[in-house]
Order: sequence, then structure tokens, then C-alpha cells
Amino acid sequence: QQQVKQSPQSLIVQKGGISIINCAYENTAFDYFPWYQQFPGKGPALLIAIRPDVSEKKEGRFTISFNKSAKQFSLHIMDSQPGDSATYFCAAFNNAGNMLTFGGGTRLMVKP
Amino acid sequence: ETGVTQSPTHLIKTRGQQVTLRCSSQSGHNTVSWYQQALGQGPQFIFQYYREEENGRGNFPPRFSGLQFPNYSSELNVNALELDDSALYLCASSSGGSGQETQYFGPGTRLLVL
Repeated sequence: QQQVKQSPQSLIVQKGGISIINCAYENTAFDYFPWYQQFPGKGPALLIAIRPDVSEKKEGRFTISFNKSAKQFSLHIMDSQPGDSATYFCAAFNNAGNMLTFGGGTRLMVKP
Repeated sequence: ETGVTQSPTHLIKTRGQQVTLRCSSQSGHNTVSWYQQALGQGPQFIFQYYREEENGRGNFPPRFSGLQFPNYSSELNVNALELDDSALYLCASSSGGSGQETQYFGPGTRLLVL
């Protein structure tokens, strides 16, 4: 069962544009929300993470926006670069089960 | 590179066979988590080992089992392989036994079941 729904499945953005990826969750027990970046042939790597007591977190060109009441969170990549082309996964952590649940992934292509 | 290594990189098995996948955690880490990533999907949590004990398990049948050694390296064993077990198997190491620490993923083992 998919407890974290991610959209879109794929995204094409021009260099310098803003990439936006959205996730929604159902389980209110989730209390930690990381985003991972995965390049072909590699394992996922942590990009940025947020806790539900914060509405926004920014690290460089990457920003997470979090809406607790709507149970939604999103990743914004500002000034997108061709090197950002990868698959992005949102995830949510459930402390009760000690498990990380991933969304289905978004394949981002940034055109030069 | 994360310092997490996995072996083998690729593996082909037939239905009904058994397989063992290995993971060496990053230096200083005492927690290993295993994930199954089917093609085009997000990783699914199988289980986590913390200080040699299972510390959480996802929705996988008992034929998926694991082990963590005193040096914190880990094995994933899958018995009675099924076609749907074909996937990329990822391990991730971290310290502290909670999913909230940064997990460092290895490159994965790609398993094909025929």
C-alpha cells in the first residue's frame, strides 16, 4: 500500500527554471520527511529533510514546503541545472514502526 | 561515495532458489536498513538491524530474513525466490537505530529471478 503519493511521475524543466515536486501522505504518525536524489546506477542520497513543526526549510537551491493540515509537502528546486537531472523521492518516517516509506519517485530532466 | 558497499552487484537466480546479499556499512555506523526497489518505483522498507537485533520490519513475508554481524555488516537472505522478487536491493547504513538519522545508501544489488 502506498502511504506517500508523489507527483508528477516525470518532469521536464528548462535550465534556470523552477522544478516542483509534490507529495501527500495519509498517516498522521509520520514525523520526519526527507527527500532523496537518485542518479542511475547509484543508491538514493539524502538531499534535504523537514519535521512537521516547520513550514519551510531551505538549503541552497532546494526548498521544502510543508503543509501539516493538508498533509502535503513539496520540493522546489530553484535555478534548475542539467546536473539536477535525476530521480527524486519524497519519504516519510513513522517512529512507531521505525520505518521509512518512500513515494513513487519523480524523474526530472533539466534541458540545457 | 557513501562508503557503503554491497555484493554482488548483479545476480541471476531461478524461481524457488535461495539468495544471500551482503552489505558493509559505513565506518562508525551500527544500523543497517534493507530496501527493495522494483523498476520505476520507490524503495520499500524490508527491515532494519541495530546492534545485531532486528529493529523494525516492513510488510515482507518471513522468507525475507536478515542478519547483522558484530562488525555491523549485514546479510539479506531470501528463500523460495519468486519472479516478483526481481528488483534492486539497497542497503543503507546509519547510526543510532532510528530512521530519522541520515541513511547512507549503497549502490544496490540487482537481482533477476527467472
